[in-house]
Amino acid sequence: NAGVTQTPKFQVLKTGQSMTLQCAQDMNHNSMYWYRQDPGMGLRLIYYSASEGTTDKGEVPNGYNVSRLNKREFSLRLESAAPSQTSVYFCASSEGNRGYGGSGNTIYFGEGSWLTVV
Amino acid sequence: GDSVTQMEGPVTLSEEAFLTINCTYTATGYPSLFWYVQYPGEGLQLLLKATKADDKGSNKGFEATYRKETTSFHLEKGSVQVSDSAVYFCALSEYWGDMRFGAGTRLTVKP
Repeated sequence: NAGVTQTPKFQVLKTGQSMTLQCAQDMNHNSMYWYRQDPGMGLRLIYYSASEGTTDKGEVPNGYNVSRLNKREFSLRLESAAPSQTSVYFCASSEGNRGYGGSGNTIYFGEGSWLTVV
Repeated sequence: GDSVTQMEGPVTLSEEAFLTINCTYTATGYPSLFWYVQYPGEGLQLLLKATKADDKGSNKGFEATYRKETTSFHLEKGSVQVSDSAVYFCALSEYWGDMRFGAGTRLTVKP
């Protein structure tokens, strides 16, 4: 029962380098998300995808790009990493879209990717 | 805009103590409310939720009641265990918006 799987789990980058975080879910969910978690700030939404080929900006999209390759996969790319992007990144998915929170739409999270930019 | 405020941690308790983690929210409509738990090195897992006023969510001995009059959703457990040590996040979600998370409260339970 894999749920949401993301890779890599740990990564150290130099400023200016690029990398892609990969995410896949096996729950046949329509919606997928990328969040970042910073101390004292909870989770903040970077990007959201309601379906294959569609993406929307979240609260903190600057410096990131995403790609919804198919229903299962949603990748996050840092084109030119900056120290401010040092964080823990979580991929997530849900059956309903972001607008169905009022009916208790549950979001399922991956285990996280620890990224350090030096 | 919508927001969630939860009590600052860390919280340290002895095993079998009573736990309360306070959570209050600001919302323009009628949100669903959630508690998520994050164990060390893992992602967030849904602990419980409530979708309307006066609903009580419960799971694994934890419970929280959706109080519209006080805009609160406090998490309680009567007798904590060492295995409950984790970070707890309160969150809300409305029909038209994204899920908003509180900053998280770290709980450590000592034997």
